[in-house]
Amino acid sequence: NAGVTQTPKFRILKIGQSMTLQCTQDMNHNYMYWYRQDPGMGLKLIYYSVGAGITDKGEVPNGYNVSRSTTEDFPLRLELAAPSQTSVYFCASGDRESYEQYFGPGTRLTVT
Amino acid sequence: RKEVEQDPGPFNVPEGATVAFNCTYSNSASQSFFWYRQDCRKEPKLLMSVYSSGNEDGRFTAQLNRASQYISLLIRDSKLSDSATYLCVVNIRDSWGKLQFGAGTQVVVTP
Repeated sequence: NAGVTQTPKFRILKIGQSMTLQCTQDMNHNYMYWYRQDPGMGLKLIYYSVGAGITDKGEVPNGYNVSRSTTEDFPLRLELAAPSQTSVYFCASGDRESYEQYFGPGTRLTVT
Repeated sequence: RKEVEQDPGPFNVPEGATVAFNCTYSNSASQSFFWYRQDCRKEPKLLMSVYSSGNEDGRFTAQLNRASQYISLLIRDSKLSDSATYLCVVNIRDSWGKLQFGAGTQVVVTP
């Protein structure tokens, strides 16, 4: 049972480039979330989804987009990367009964 | 005011000792409570859910005080491997499972 997987593990982007962070879960959870965590700081919610085809903004959505075409996958798109988007990105899936969330290993992104 | 507040620490604990720390939450609509642990540069991992009557999981004991809106975590017989940041996490009613995370309490267990 893989849980939540994320790719890539590391990425360096130049300013203005775009990329997609992949997230897949095999726990059949309806709820999925994207967070970012800056060094020494707490987690901030970027976007979330309560099921295939349904997404909504979190606390810090600017500069990002998401889609949810299947229960398993919840990719995060960065358009026109900026240095302020240098961070660690965590994807999580959540149980709709217990509200427990399970995190992927993260993607470390540097924008230079 | 932050939704979930924690003492950042660090709490320096000798191996084998007991350490306890709290967090407070401000939203009275909070309905589910958790402790997560996060190792340096790793993802948060669920340590335990916190139930109204309090609960224990091995060396870890969690308590919830709804009247005063705080949650506590106690670690007995601390191991070197307990060194981590402990995140206090709260779910607000009717929020689509979204969690409010505290900034974490750092625990350092020393030999």
